[in-house]
Amino acid sequence: DAKTTQPNSMESNEEEPVHLPCNHSTISGTDYIHWYRQLPSQGPEYVIHGLTSNVNNRMASLAIAEDRKSSTLILHRATLRDAAVYYCILRVTGNQFYFGTGTSLTVIP
Amino acid sequence: EPEVTQTPSHQVTQMGQEVILRCVPISNHLYFYWYRQILGQKVEFLVSFYNNEISEKSEIFDDQFSVERPDGSNFTLKIRSTKLEDSAMYFCASSEDRANQPQHFGDGTRLSIL
Repeated sequence: DAKTTQPNSMESNEEEPVHLPCNHSTISGTDYIHWYRQLPSQGPEYVIHGLTSNVNNRMASLAIAEDRKSSTLILHRATLRDAAVYYCILRVTGNQFYFGTGTSLTVIP
Repeated sequence: EPEVTQTPSHQVTQMGQEVILRCVPISNHLYFYWYRQILGQKVEFLVSFYNNEISEKSEIFDDQFSVERPDGSNFTLKIRSTKLEDSAMYFCASSEDRANQPQHFGDGTRLSIL
């Protein structure tokens, strides 16, 4: 199984950067690393994905280790609206995503 | 920005009844998915659908479940003879026609079995 390991919870002060880590030591060579988040009472929301190089978009940055066995999602300035469960996801097979337990991010005003 | 829409937002059904959950995927997407999330638990993959047939399914997706794309816009999940343990949030998602592409999720249907 393409499993991932994340801390259960993290806290951040508002307007400070947040680094959310993920370990994925069993990742295969062609699998992208996906990050999603789930706000309360909503469906998972796509955040970012990447293969080898670091990636940036309007929501976040993704830093991928050179050996691809770990990655870090970076929120540059946390806001209260960023409080959510963040999932680091790999494909299991085909297009089947495996959601772990994720990291519950608390943003402190 | 285009989005996946799901109806109804909340469905209450008596145990043993059939229920159909509806989804309208993003219009140019070709892969469609159903996931479920029992209260307080992980999001679990149920099934993926491509080119009018099931491409993958999990152990959860047994004979009680079926999916269909009845027309060019809707994607449905049918649960026959519902059980109490089918109570969950059901999320529909869609993605473009290439593997490893992001999946875009709807806000889900809360299914309550009484």
